[in-house]
Amino acid sequence: LAKTTQPISMDSYEGQEVNITCSHNNIATNDYITWYQQFPSQGPRFIIQGYKTKVTNEVASLFIPADRKSSTLSLPRVSLSDTAVYYCLVGDILRGGSARQLTFGSGTQLTVLP
Amino acid sequence: DTAVSQTPKYLVTQMGNDKSIKCEQNLGHDTMYWYKQDSKKFLKIMFSYNNKELIINETVPNRFSPKSPDKAHLNLHINSLELGDSAVYFCASTPSAGADETQYFGPGTRLLVL
Repeated sequence: LAKTTQPISMDSYEGQEVNITCSHNNIATNDYITWYQQFPSQGPRFIIQGYKTKVTNEVASLFIPADRKSSTLSLPRVSLSDTAVYYCLVGDILRGGSARQLTFGSGTQLTVLP
Repeated sequence: DTAVSQTPKYLVTQMGNDKSIKCEQNLGHDTMYWYKQDSKKFLKIMFSYNNKELIINETVPNRFSPKSPDKAHLNLHINSLELGDSAVYFCASTPSAGADETQYFGPGTRLLVL
């Protein structure tokens, strides 16, 4: 069972790069790492996903070291609207058979200050 | 137009009552989930159905019973509601039950048990 650990909160200023790290020491071979963003009174929203090395999309980058025991979400040049809770999710669901648990981290409250 | 919808949005009820929360997705996905988010923002998976078949059933009280009449709907029925059931319940869906599937979340149902 992959347990995840994230910082409870982080503050940043507009225009800065923000890096949020998630620890998942017991990650399994089949597990993917996914990050979600959640605004108040809304459901989580997908940001980025990776298995190993580095992944980049139009909103973020995800860095995963070779041992995969942690991952870092990088948000370039944050704005006030990036203030939200960020969750990492580690898990796998086996098709048509016994299912593994999907484990969300405790979430990191990112506050972007002007 | 909403991809994943839940009803009701808010639910206030007395201890001991039985209530249901409905979820519908119009994305054509095969897999649906129920999550519980407590006051500390922990997101915990409860159930998952793939093509109307239960594939994840985490350790939740048997007062909670999911029902999937078809693959576009996953309803959650709760018997004998308790104070500790107060939380936000999120429904989500993915195209299939694969490890790399992006989850699409509904807006949540805020349940308050008095």
